[in-house]
Amino acid sequence: DSGVTQTPKHLITATGQRVTLRCSPRSGDLSVYWYQQSLDQGLQFLIQYYNGEERAKGNILERFSAQQFPDLHSELNLSSLELGDSALYFCASSVGPAAEAFFGQGTRLTVV
Amino acid sequence: GENVEQHPSTLSVQEGDSAVIKCTYSDSASNYFPWYKQELGKRPQLIIDIRSNVGEKKDQRIAVTLNKTAKHFSLHITETQPEDSAVYFCAASRGNTPLVFGKGTRLSVIA
Repeated sequence: DSGVTQTPKHLITATGQRVTLRCSPRSGDLSVYWYQQSLDQGLQFLIQYYNGEERAKGNILERFSAQQFPDLHSELNLSSLELGDSALYFCASSVGPAAEAFFGQGTRLTVV
Repeated sequence: GENVEQHPSTLSVQEGDSAVIKCTYSDSASNYFPWYKQELGKRPQLIIDIRSNVGEKKDQRIAVTLNKTAKHFSLHITETQPEDSAVYFCAASRGNTPLVFGKGTRLSVIA
């Protein structure tokens, strides 16, 4: 167990819908990262938060948004879902820069 | 921004042989280089990392080497075992930036 908790574990939804993925980082970790992993693909960086503020953005679509709350948990919102959004979404946390990133178990999103 | 290339994409070795996976990075300011192992259906987990002030680091059967001049780093696994079969990802970061991952190497250890 990495200490990073993601919910839900699985999500099946229809095209055009909106979903919210939730992540609770390890206790004490201030950085939260979201990554997307499609079938046989690497880990694509989406967005990073540090202590409640957005720190960096990757190839995140405009239909996707995220936030980090005062208690440091984070949510990734995916809207107007398309079939191509089906993927494994990982949240990771670390104490700070250049430190080990601990991954959650991931949320497998299937858009039908 | 940073770009990480990883080779090979697939690698098959006989049990007991060595496996080498290579990565190159583009940002000369990157200073942190971790390697993650992802078993089927599981989360990526750190197996070893190296920082830019070190040229080599070893942990039992696993070692990582870093050549800052050439901007490449490699993972070496000796005496491979079937449980080493997984997807391995290299990554790079300049410290205040998120990890940028390579596309992964699927390692198969044949018994």
